[in-house]
Amino acid sequence: AQKVTQAQTEISVVEKEDVTLDCVYETRDTTYYLFWYKQPPSGELVFLIRRNSFDEQNEISGRYSWNFQKSTSSFNFTITASQVVDSAVYFCALSNYGQNFVFGPGTRLSVLP
Amino acid sequence: NAGVMQNPRHLVRRRGQEARLRCSPMKGHSHVYWYRQLPEEGLKFMVYLQKENIIDESGMPKERFSAEFPKEGPSILRIQQVVRGDSAAYFCASSPPGTSETQYFGPGTRLLVL
Repeated sequence: AQKVTQAQTEISVVEKEDVTLDCVYETRDTTYYLFWYKQPPSGELVFLIRRNSFDEQNEISGRYSWNFQKSTSSFNFTITASQVVDSAVYFCALSNYGQNFVFGPGTRLSVLP
Repeated sequence: NAGVMQNPRHLVRRRGQEARLRCSPMKGHSHVYWYRQLPEEGLKFMVYLQKENIIDESGMPKERFSAEFPKEGPSILRIQQVVRGDSAAYFCASSPPGTSETQYFGPGTRLLVL
């Protein structure tokens, strides 16, 4: 069975602080994809990143960075110098190649001015 | 290239009525997925369809819920005889042909059952 755990239910930080959102997954598949999505207060789901299980390189995109560690089944997401507009619920998800996604319960991030 | 379209964005129904939610995938996408998000919870998979075929409906409730993706037109999620517990946000996602593709989500339909 596949499972995604996001142990942090809610996080509050002050603007300009760095924040890391944790994601731990379980799967018996050797090949899979991991994703992060952002759900701002307006409610839509915004795709942020997809990572193939074969590619353990970390990725940086502007203020966002992702740390994929297969040895610990983790795919953590760091926002550097957070801004108020980063306030949202962030979901980590796991897909076993083209089938349905399993989403984590989400982490609500509040960035205070 | 327009994104995934869902309508209506908000739907209010009384208990016992039917709810029909529509989803038009992104151009070129032939895979459609439906998810339900209860208040303050994550997304739960419901059903995965390709044109005229249900591929995986393991997340669909056994009764009152059905989904289709006809050869022409949008995908439809139908909920018959709605109950208050059906109140949720229903998201549709689409992906292009082939496996291993990212799913792109629509804006969701917020269903409220009075």
